[in-house]
Amino acid sequence: RKEVEQDPGPFNVPEGATVAFNCTYSNSASQSFFWYRQDCRKEPKLLMSVYSSGNEDGRFTAQLNRASQYISLLIRDSKLSDSATYLCVVNGNDYKLSFGAGTTVTVRA
Amino acid sequence: DVKVTQSSRYLVKRTGEKVFLECVQDMDHENMFWYRQDPGLGLRLIYFSYDVKMKEKGDIPEGYSVSREKKERFSLILESASTNQTSMYLCASSSGREAPEQFFGPGTRLTVL
Repeated sequence: RKEVEQDPGPFNVPEGATVAFNCTYSNSASQSFFWYRQDCRKEPKLLMSVYSSGNEDGRFTAQLNRASQYISLLIRDSKLSDSATYLCVVNGNDYKLSFGAGTTVTVRA
Repeated sequence: DVKVTQSSRYLVKRTGEKVFLECVQDMDHENMFWYRQDPGLGLRLIYFSYDVKMKEKGDIPEGYSVSREKKERFSLILESASTNQTSMYLCASSSGREAPEQFFGPGTRLTVL
């Protein structure tokens, strides 16, 4: 079983729509959680950390459910520039991160 | 702002050649990582280093070695390149256990012919 599993999508949404997707993780001892964004043929970039109480950064909202071991990302009022692959990332109590394979979002005009 | 740089954006090598990929970070980070990324497989950890001259195998170390002689520099070496090592190679760094988020370089797209 993969450590981090994501629905690969693609999620194809119109501008202004809300899109949400989850990922699940297998290690119940995981300590830290992140969402990264990766544009085509570019490096992953940290989008936001995910905190136990849930957190918001502008149009982006992340939630963590430790009991069910899943993390979600919601994007409100989608922009064309939100088109990217979103990587779910989980950290145990060590130096390494476990990356999901990514969820592709395409926002159309 | 964290800056991670990689020596080449694109590289073409022949089977059997020795290949060096260099990575430099300017934020005094303790930890450095090498990944490869292939379509459908996501990011896979090759090697990482948590201190100068220290290295640990990741999930797919076969066919690779690394060197960390200075804190800011982490090199990935392909001793004898093979076609199945054609991939995007990404270097990353992080400051430590208290701040595990990693920052990536722009990547090197390596093609082995």
